[in-house]
Amino acid sequence: SQTIHQWPATLVQPVGSPLSLECTVEGTSNPNLYWYRQAAGRGLQLLFYSVGIGQISSEVPQNLSASRPQDRQFILSSKKLLLSDSGFYLCAWRGQPNTEAFFGQGTRLTVV
Amino acid sequence: KNEVEQSPQNLTAQEGEFITINCSYSVGISALHWLQQHPGGGIVSLFMLSSGKKKHGRLIATINIQEKHSSLHITASHPRDSAVYICAVKKIWNYGGSQGNLIFGKGTKLSVKP
Repeated sequence: SQTIHQWPATLVQPVGSPLSLECTVEGTSNPNLYWYRQAAGRGLQLLFYSVGIGQISSEVPQNLSASRPQDRQFILSSKKLLLSDSGFYLCAWRGQPNTEAFFGQGTRLTVV
Repeated sequence: KNEVEQSPQNLTAQEGEFITINCSYSVGISALHWLQQHPGGGIVSLFMLSSGKKKHGRLIATINIQEKHSSLHITASHPRDSAVYICAVKKIWNYGGSQGNLIFGKGTKLSVKP
């Protein structure tokens, strides 16, 4: 069966420090992968999506970047965190754009 | 105006009550998702709809494409149903655009009291 792993679950980082959140998917190949952010009091917002290795599309300009070094691995990064980067980050995958989405457990990031 | 609106924003119910959460959208869509987010933040997909009605246990989801409206119903609600319920739509893009992007409502926070 397909599963999605995302870690860490919680993270407190100082302003200016780097960030690396990892998401891996099992039980499927060539998934569409997504990073979402949920800021306090707001809905989920798509940050990045990837349809294949090395293919990254960014939805909003920001302080973050994403990479897909392997078919089932999606990484969210930042070189220098800002206070405004605080939020809840979710990784998700789908086999095809119009199929059901599966979400990771999320990472609650607090930048202090 | 948000492209996906949910109501109510917060909902408190007594155990056993029938619950309805509404979702309206203003764009053309190819699919609509109902998601459940637990207090810890993890999200579970409940339904994906493109027409009609789906049922899973005590949960029922309906969609009216012409009216651009969907409802999520919970029968015989239970405290373990307490969560945030999120409506998300897969927008039809006329000129390329984001593959697979879902547009999310802000969620409905449901609390079911024993």
